[in-house]
Order: sequence, then structure tokens, then C-alpha cells
Amino acid sequence: EIVLTQSPGTLSLSPGERATLSCRASQSVSSNHLVWYQQKPGQAPRLLIYGASSRATGIPDRFSGSGSGTDFTLTISRLEPEDFAVYYCQQYGSSQYTFGQGTKLEIK
Amino acid sequence: QVQLVQSGAEVKKPGSSVKVSCKASGVTFSSYAFSWVRQAPGQGLEWMGGIIPIFGTTNYAQKFQGRVSITADESTSTAYVELRSLRSEDTAVYYCARQKSVGGPFDYWGQGTLVTVSS
Repeated sequence: EIVLTQSPGTLSLSPGERATLSCRASQSVSSNHLVWYQQKPGQAPRLLIYGASSRATGIPDRFSGSGSGTDFTLTISRLEPEDFAVYYCQQYGSSQYTFGQGTKLEIK
Repeated sequence: QVQLVQSGAEVKKPGSSVKVSCKASGVTFSSYAFSWVRQAPGQGLEWMGGIIPIFGTTNYAQKFQGRVSITADESTSTAYVELRSLRSEDTAVYYCARQKSVGGPFDYWGQGTLVTVSS
């Protein structure tokens, strides 16, 4: 099973700042199968990025994804108040999906 | 628009079983795959397994093999997850999610169903 490790666990930033979230895999992941979700308290996750770098429908262009192999990054260029949430990466490989443990993005 | 509507909250005794439903609307049910993901209180997301309704094929996370069953009823556009031999650690919110294809991202999610396991 591929293990995804997200860092940092918590990221404290102010609105307007740039956020960089990391997702590292225990073995190589197909870029086609690396996904990022956003989750706010009491809500279901929302798809942000699929295929490592493609934005889902309706996702603002301040969100971008990059990376390949074992290292992937979600970048939020300028934080808006509504961006403070928990972010999860997810991969699909060997017929199994796994999620990272999440990064909490909180207001500083 | 696509909607996945799940059944209501459940309270179960340890050792019993629970079955949660997920009814899809605004989508051609058989054209997609559906997965179940759970989230224990204050914890992260955990994939349990999925189904391709048109083929009836299922795939389960190794952790849940033998204890979970995922089924689908094409006539009602509803997917189900049944978890057996419940223990307190199974207390979680259970989500269904749609995928355009096996291996694809989860682009629509149900609202979640809280299952509480308590004696």
C-alpha cells in the first residue's frame, strides 16, 4: 500500500499570503492518479485538483498543483478567508486508494 | 445537477451490522463508479472500497476485506455499504462519492452519514 505523508501538519498563515502544502508518497505515484481535496468543518470534501495539476470545475485559479513521482505540491497563491480548511492528498494505485493524513491551514 | 443523498444517522451495538445507502440523482447511475470513504471523529479520510454498478464489480481496501460489502441497485440508482462486526472504532461519518472511472477522482460526494457504535 502506498503511504502518503503530508506536511506540515498545520500551517498558520494570514489572508493574502502564499500557501505551499506538500504530499510525499512512499513509492512512485502516477500523476494521473494524484488528487487534492479541501474539507471544511461539518462538510464533505471538495475536489480541488486531479491528475496532479488540473483544476476541477469551478476551482479558482489561485489553486495550483504540481509534482511527479513521489513529491507533489498544492499551492494557494493568495489566501482568501474561505481557503482556511483541511487539505488532503489522495492517490490510486494497485487497485487501492489512499489518503494523506491532511494539512490544516489555519488563520494566523 | 448531480446529487448523492445518503440515509440518516445510525446508532448500533458492538458486534452488529450497519447498512448505509446513497441515492444518486441527476446522473446516469450505471455510467460511473462509486466509492465509500469514512472519517472517524477528528481524524482523516479512509477509503473503504468501491463498486462499478454496470458490472457489479467491487474492490475493497485490504483493511476491510471480509467485513464490508458494497452493493448497488441500478433500478433505484442507489449504492450501499454494509459493515459487519461493528466495534467502537467504526464510529465515523461515512461518505459515498462518485468517480467518472475506476482510479478517477471523487468529484461528487454525499452529505455523510454518522454511524455511532456504542453499548
